[in-house]
Amino acid sequence: DTAVSQTPKYLVTQMGNDKSIKCEQNLGHDTMYWYKQDSKKFLKIMFSYNNKELIINETVPNRFSPKSPDKAHLNLHINSLELGDSAVYFCASSQGAGEADTQYFGPGTRLTVL
Amino acid sequence: GQNIDQPTEMTATEGAIVQINCTYQTSGFNGLFWYQQHAGEAPTFLSYNVLDGLEEKGRFSSFLSRSKGYSYLLLKELQMKDSASYLCAVMDSNYQLIWGAGTKLIIKP
Repeated sequence: DTAVSQTPKYLVTQMGNDKSIKCEQNLGHDTMYWYKQDSKKFLKIMFSYNNKELIINETVPNRFSPKSPDKAHLNLHINSLELGDSAVYFCASSQGAGEADTQYFGPGTRLTVL
Repeated sequence: GQNIDQPTEMTATEGAIVQINCTYQTSGFNGLFWYQQHAGEAPTFLSYNVLDGLEEKGRFSSFLSRSKGYSYLLLKELQMKDSASYLCAVMDSNYQLIWGAGTKLIIKP
């Protein structure tokens, strides 16, 4: 069974559309994250959730909104997509927050905005 | 500001040894991670160092010097499947991971 899964793997859409990416982890972890990896391969933290509470929000436009129905799921909703949103988005999870826990990554969602 | 530096690209020969360096300047330190990322795939955990010294795990070893803000990943007996990007990441005082841009390692036969 996949530990951290994301859907879809590929997403191609037009500027201005709204889209969602789903993430689920079956590791029993308390903290989940969303990262953006751009063409230069930098991984940038966007959000993290610990026990359904947002604990990090790193200068991300408010067009991006994380939604966590329970601690095993952290979905990413994006409104009014822009060309610059094209990137690979990774979901990750770790046992806790505030601890140096290893983060486990999902397979990534490659978003292309046309 | 916070900064992680590592070489953009390195080339090595199958069967050889390669050392990938990482230097960092962060607000606080709660450990350093190395991840491997094959093209088009997710990063996968390789090692974690929080104390000075060398941690060995099979063909891979990771070294840390906190006073120098320096780490390296040592890969021995290189195999073609080791061709990947290697990401250095430091956990800062807020337990946030600060990532380097990664080192693309090319293995030649």
